[in-house]
Amino acid sequence: AQKVTQAQTEISVVEKEDVTLDCVYETRDTTYYLFWYKQPPSGELVFLIRRNSFDEQNEISGRYSWNFQKSTSSFNFTITASQVVDSAVYFCALIGGGGYQKVTFGIGTKLQVIP
Amino acid sequence: ETGVTQSPTHLIKTRGQQVTLRCSSQSGHNTVSWYQQALGQGPQFIFQYYREEENGRGNFPPRFSGLQFPNYSSELNVNALELDDSALYLCASSSRTRGDTGELFFGEGSRLTVL
Repeated sequence: AQKVTQAQTEISVVEKEDVTLDCVYETRDTTYYLFWYKQPPSGELVFLIRRNSFDEQNEISGRYSWNFQKSTSSFNFTITASQVVDSAVYFCALIGGGGYQKVTFGIGTKLQVIP
Repeated sequence: ETGVTQSPTHLIKTRGQQVTLRCSSQSGHNTVSWYQQALGQGPQFIFQYYREEENGRGNFPPRFSGLQFPNYSSELNVNALELDDSALYLCASSSRTRGDTGELFFGEGSRLTVL
């Protein structure tokens, strides 16, 4: 069975602060993919990043960065210098083996950036 | 914008009724997945359709059924609606030819309220 745990259900930060969203996953598959999605109030899930299980390099994209640590089964997401537009619910997700693209999502972390 | 469109965006039904939700996948995508997202929860996988056949199913009863058409659009049907079926229903499309990398593109969802 696969499981994604996002222990932080809600986070509030003041604009320009850095914030890290935690994600811990469980899977028995040796090959898997990890994702982060952003869900604004409109409801659409916006793809942010995909990382496969063989690539543990950290990644930076503008103000966003991701820290993948296989040893601790974690895939944390950091927003640097947060902005009000970053306010949304963020989901960590996992696709393992199985022959089809079933995505297992965490419960989500609601981020509120206060001006 | 992902190119995945869903209809209707909002609807209200009563217990025991039946509902059909529709999804037009992104051009070139041959796989459609459906997810149920209850309030405050992460999306839960319902099923996936590939080349007009169901290709994987989550933990949902048979009253949740679907179709995929030759143009790869899809329908989700829910019979004998229950109050707990109230949720945001998300459609995601992807291209199987790219392998199981999980590059899913989500629509904005159909918000169903069951009274």
